[in-house]
Formats: sequence, structure tokens, C-alpha cells
Amino acid sequence: GAVVSQHPSWVICKSGTSVKIECRSLDFQATTMFWYRQFPKQSLMLMATSNEGSKATYEQGVEKDKFLINHASLTLSTLTVTSAHPEDSSFYICSAKGTASTDTQYFGPGTRLTVL
Amino acid sequence: RKEVEQDPGPFNVPEGATVAFNCTYSNSASQSFFWYRQDCRKEPKLLMSVYSSGNEDGRFTAQLNRASQYISLLIRDSKLSDSATYLCVVRGSARQLTFGSGTQLTVLP
Repeated sequence: GAVVSQHPSWVICKSGTSVKIECRSLDFQATTMFWYRQFPKQSLMLMATSNEGSKATYEQGVEKDKFLINHASLTLSTLTVTSAHPEDSSFYICSAKGTASTDTQYFGPGTRLTVL
Repeated sequence: RKEVEQDPGPFNVPEGATVAFNCTYSNSASQSFFWYRQDCRKEPKLLMSVYSSGNEDGRFTAQLNRASQYISLLIRDSKLSDSATYLCVVRGSARQLTFGSGTQLTVLP
């Protein structure tokens, strides 16, 4: 099946710093990428939908100025958590979908962010 | 009301047992339905799609009842390796996936 990678797999940072997470589709072109956040013992919550070459669509309650998403190519999307705080500590997972509307979403392995 | 609701669990069952998970969804316009499996600290992985006619994949059987907006997953002859969190997932007309909160299963030796 298709492969999606995320980097880094885990990161620990100080409060107030910014963290960038990369999501890459390795063997297919991803016109759409999704960013999710999962807190312990909770489900995945969609944060935003990113289409290549256009602005991301954010879900209600997700601050677009805090969670910057860039999808500049068909194989790469980045999520930058700006001025991270301890409450931003979470498991961030991206998924990527190909060009057809029926394409399956393939999930990356996730990035565990801990903000001290 | 949550868009996708699941049995809260956890389910602790002995090896070889049969276990069933239930899920309901609120949006009648939902188009596709799935069960995902998520191991601790890992990403979710697609277990199986769910069709109105019901479908089976080895020890796993999924059922969909559109009239009741209800989805189920049955696991027969459970194995230790089946221990995981099972996520009920629904895709709406906007093509986005909505995840249930998951049901934790532990299969005991």
C-alpha cells in the first residue's frame, strides 16, 4: 500500500518555541492532506484539510495563526505549531489522499509533541 | 451528540472469545464506513470497510444498518494480537473522515 512518512516522530520543546512537522507521501501524489490531533485516550480530531497549492481549511476551534499549514507540493505538507504551550502536547497525525475522490486516506506514523 | 459514538469499553476477553463492538453515527448523509485499528502510540490502520450487505474478512465481520445508522464489528476466535483500540470511522459527503472515540480491546491469555 501507499506510504506516508512524518518527521520527526517525536519532539520535546520548551514553551514558546515553534515546531515544524513534515508529512510526505512517498510513492504517490497527494492532492489532499489532513492533519489530526489525538489527546490521550481520545479519538483523532481533524484539525485542517490541506489541498496542494491552496490555503488549508481549518476545523472550528482550530487557530489558523497558531497551526500553520503549508502544502506546497504534491508530496509534502508541513504543520508548524507556533509558540507552543504545554496544552499543545499531543499526538499529531497526518494522512494523505490521492487524486481520485474515492482514494483511501493513508496515515503517517504520527508525531508525538511534548511541550515543557 | 457526537457524530460517531462507540461503546466506551474497555473489553477484556479471553483468547478464543467472540466479541462485538457497536457504533452509531448521526449524519444520515454519511457515505462510507470503516473500522480502523489503532495500537498504542501508533497511527490508525484500516481494518476493513463496511458495506450494507455486510462483509467478512477472516475472523472479522462488519455490518452496516443504514436505517438505524448503526455499524458493528464482530471478532471471532480472538487472538492476543487483536488487543488494540478499534475506531469506528465515517466519511461524509465532504470526504472527510470522522472518528469515533474508540473501543479498547484486551485479549487475555
